[in-house]
Amino acid sequence: GAGVSQSPRYKVAKRGQDVALRCDPISGHVSLFWYQQALGQGPEFLTYFQNEAQLDKSGLPSDRFFAERPEGSVSTLKIQRTQQEDSAVYLCASSLGSQGYEKLFFGSGTQLSVL
Amino acid sequence: GNSVTQMEGPVTLSEEAFLTINCTYTATGYPSLFWYVQYPGEGLQLLLKATKADDKGSNKGFEATYRKETTSFHLEKGSVQVSDSAVYFCALNPSSNFGNEKLTFGTGTRLTIIP
Repeated sequence: GAGVSQSPRYKVAKRGQDVALRCDPISGHVSLFWYQQALGQGPEFLTYFQNEAQLDKSGLPSDRFFAERPEGSVSTLKIQRTQQEDSAVYLCASSLGSQGYEKLFFGSGTQLSVL
Repeated sequence: GNSVTQMEGPVTLSEEAFLTINCTYTATGYPSLFWYVQYPGEGLQLLLKATKADDKGSNKGFEATYRKETTSFHLEKGSVQVSDSAVYFCALNPSSNFGNEKLTFGTGTRLTIIP
């Protein structure tokens, strides 16, 4: 596609519900990142995939957060038993390569509100 | 650890004014430094970057110089336009080898340009 696509654009969940956020990276991009951006803050790293391999998940805030990229393209970020503190914009980014610096392309994000 | 501190906003300027947004960082080793911009309703976009000390990144009339002695990467533009209104994020990549490592972002500075 033309850019990184994320869906849904907005998600409202009741506390305790499970949610799934989708990211379609640019076709052919090897690397994929998830970031969390709280209101008024900069994005914070959550996790990184190289193809289907999750190479770094050190930023996931708890075991309620789970990400996958089973076929090395589309990725899903799942949050179980959502809490109010999970309310944030979740950003996905992709880059073409995996060796050396590559430009990151960000999606517009999914805004999650937990009531 | 790694951190980025940037000038708090919001910043409001008149068109054609001179812009400076301050950014300082803390990092081990030799990080790469970035400025990202987020226009209303859009995803983060890379504005410019610098990968070693004394490098100057530039794009769209914006400039920033990597100053290792002051651990700074201040963003400047000589004459701003209404279309520059956006949120600007300073960020670092802790690896000078430009690996696909997680970015550390500042909190962002909202810039509004008045005609």
